[in-house]
Amino acid sequence: EDQVTQSPEALRLQEGESSSLNCSYTVSGLRGLFWYRQDPGKGPEFLFTLYSAGEEKEKERLKATLTKKESFLHITAPKPEDSATYLCAVQAGNNAGNMLTFGGGTRLMVKP
Amino acid sequence: SAVISQKPSRDICQRGTSLTIQCQVDSQVTMMFWYRQQPGQSLTLIATANQGSEATYESGFVIDKFPISRPNLTFSTLTVSNMSPEDSSIYLCSARQASGNTIYFGEGSWLTVV
Repeated sequence: EDQVTQSPEALRLQEGESSSLNCSYTVSGLRGLFWYRQDPGKGPEFLFTLYSAGEEKEKERLKATLTKKESFLHITAPKPEDSATYLCAVQAGNNAGNMLTFGGGTRLMVKP
Repeated sequence: SAVISQKPSRDICQRGTSLTIQCQVDSQVTMMFWYRQQPGQSLTLIATANQGSEATYESGFVIDKFPISRPNLTFSTLTVSNMSPEDSSIYLCSARQASGNTIYFGEGSWLTVV
């Protein structure tokens, strides 16, 4: 059974204080690892998909990396508008339906 | 990127009634999915909506409770039947674009059952 664990559950940062969010996974043949941002009252907003160990993707202050067991979402010099819940999800290679299995999320709060 | 529209965005429903949520995608997609997000929780897959055939349900979800239709490539409905307060959740429609592997989500439908 595919499993995704995110840590920490909640993270408080001062504006400008860089940090990383962790996503550990076990999956039968990873097809893709997805990162989403979710603001309160809204649906998840797509950020990145990573496909193979060693891959990195960047978007503004966010950089996602992938190893064979985990992914990190690095946030550099965060701003208050980066406050949101960040969700990690895996897509298994033997998953004919291509559906995603989600972790519990990390709730990020950036204080000015 | 695909734009996914859901209706209603929010509703308060009486116990024992049923509500149908509509999902419309603005571009060609291959797969469509329905997820549930209970308060303070992450997303749980309800089912994969298959075009022109019965949906594929995940463990713990059944067709009688959550009937799903997908009459064409870009439209799907989810009905939450005989609702109880435990069904109070956000219901999210999701779709995989026909080109590439990106999976997008709608804004969600917030249901409160009283």
